[in-house]
Amino acid sequence: LAKTTQPISMDSYEGQEVNITCSHNNIATNDYITWYQQFPSQGPRFIIQGYKTKVTNEVASLFIPADRKSSTLSLPRVSLSDTAVYYCLVGDPARLTGGGNKLTFGTGTQLKVEL
Amino acid sequence: EAGVTQFPSHSVIEKGQTVTLRCDPISGHDNLYWYRRVMGKEIKFLLHFVKESKQDESGMPNNRFLAERTGGTYSTLKVQPAELEDSGVYFCASSPRWGGPTEAFFGQGTRLTVV
Repeated sequence: LAKTTQPISMDSYEGQEVNITCSHNNIATNDYITWYQQFPSQGPRFIIQGYKTKVTNEVASLFIPADRKSSTLSLPRVSLSDTAVYYCLVGDPARLTGGGNKLTFGTGTQLKVEL
Repeated sequence: EAGVTQFPSHSVIEKGQTVTLRCDPISGHDNLYWYRRVMGKEIKFLLHFVKESKQDESGMPNNRFLAERTGGTYSTLKVQPAELEDSGVYFCASSPRWGGPTEAFFGQGTRLTVV
């Protein structure tokens, strides 16, 4: 699986937009980019997944440039409840989950949102 | 629909004792995974079931760990005998069998403390 690099921590204030960038220089043709969120004392929770360009859902947006060597998770107007660790994962979805293979978590980005 | 449930939520045992963790995946999910985070490190893959069969157990640390999924429904992870370094949070996740981009659903985890 492609190695990912993301900031260890980020701080923000309520109401701001937060962008977390993940580098994945060795991404393969079949790889998708997936982001998970984890709150203390809970398991990781799927946020969003994409292959190229832009993906948006009710929670976040995912921006992927043409070379796909990086991606940016965008959280609009964060609140205190968005304080969590955010993980960027890269891999072939057929192997990541449904087709059945392991997820490789890195250190993640600890986002802290303050008033 | 019920999510992935794990039992117990916390367990404190003495070194040398046996502990059995249980995971109930989402109904109908053929894929079941065990992960763990120890000593504040990254979440690491342990093993993967497809129904009752072990698809990948490359992450199991040693033969003190035994995972089963009889009947392809719930799964158990037994640690016998437990050692201090086994302390950590054990996560279970499940996903549907079919391929394509999808997500893994995680339980809340079992916090194991070996003293």
